[in-house]
Amino acid sequence: AQSVTQLDSHVSVSEGTPVLLRCNYSSSYSPSLFWYVQHPNKGLQLLLKYTSAATLVKGINGFEAEFKKSETSFHLTKPSAHMSDAAEYFCVVSDLRGGGNKLTFGTGTQLKVEL
Amino acid sequence: EPEVTQTPSHQVTQMGQEVILRCVPISNHLYFYWYRQILGQKVEFLVSFYNNEISEKSEIFDDQFSVERPDGSNFTLKIRSTKLEDSAMYFCASSSSTGQSTDTQYFGPGTRLTVL
Repeated sequence: AQSVTQLDSHVSVSEGTPVLLRCNYSSSYSPSLFWYVQHPNKGLQLLLKYTSAATLVKGINGFEAEFKKSETSFHLTKPSAHMSDAAEYFCVVSDLRGGGNKLTFGTGTQLKVEL
Repeated sequence: EPEVTQTPSHQVTQMGQEVILRCVPISNHLYFYWYRQILGQKVEFLVSFYNNEISEKSEIFDDQFSVERPDGSNFTLKIRSTKLEDSAMYFCASSSSTGQSTDTQYFGPGTRLTVL
């Protein structure tokens, strides 16, 4: 079965400093990988996705992620954190087996941004 | 920008009662999904639905659960006899017609179900 592991449950950064949220995946074939963000009392919003084209994927709000097959990683980064980035971030892998295109979520990383 | 909507935003029910959670997917999408997130836990897949039938379901999706597309716009999740452990945030999602693993699933804001 496919799975993702988010290595940090909480990350705290200062405003203006870089953000790194780590994700490792496990897959028996070429996965599609996504990062979703969930702000308090809001739904899940897609930040970016990897679909076997470019390994460096750019998303909304200045976020990007790099797919590294050799490391089975898909870490999310942003050069400079903003207060509005405080939210929960989910690394997600897509599984087409069974015909249903099921998404498997990681446990989430809560990002805190301090002044 | 089109979006997935869900009603109600919060549903409180007594144990053993039936609940129906409603979703309006994005209008040109043909694949529909339900996920749930128990407080403090990860988001879990429940069921996927295409062409008026279930494509895949998880082990959570037992006989107490059912899904339906009663008309051209709504997609519903019914829980026949709610249990305390059904308390969770339920998310509806939809994706476009290609059915590929690269498809983006667009999520609604969720319905928080509280079973007392």
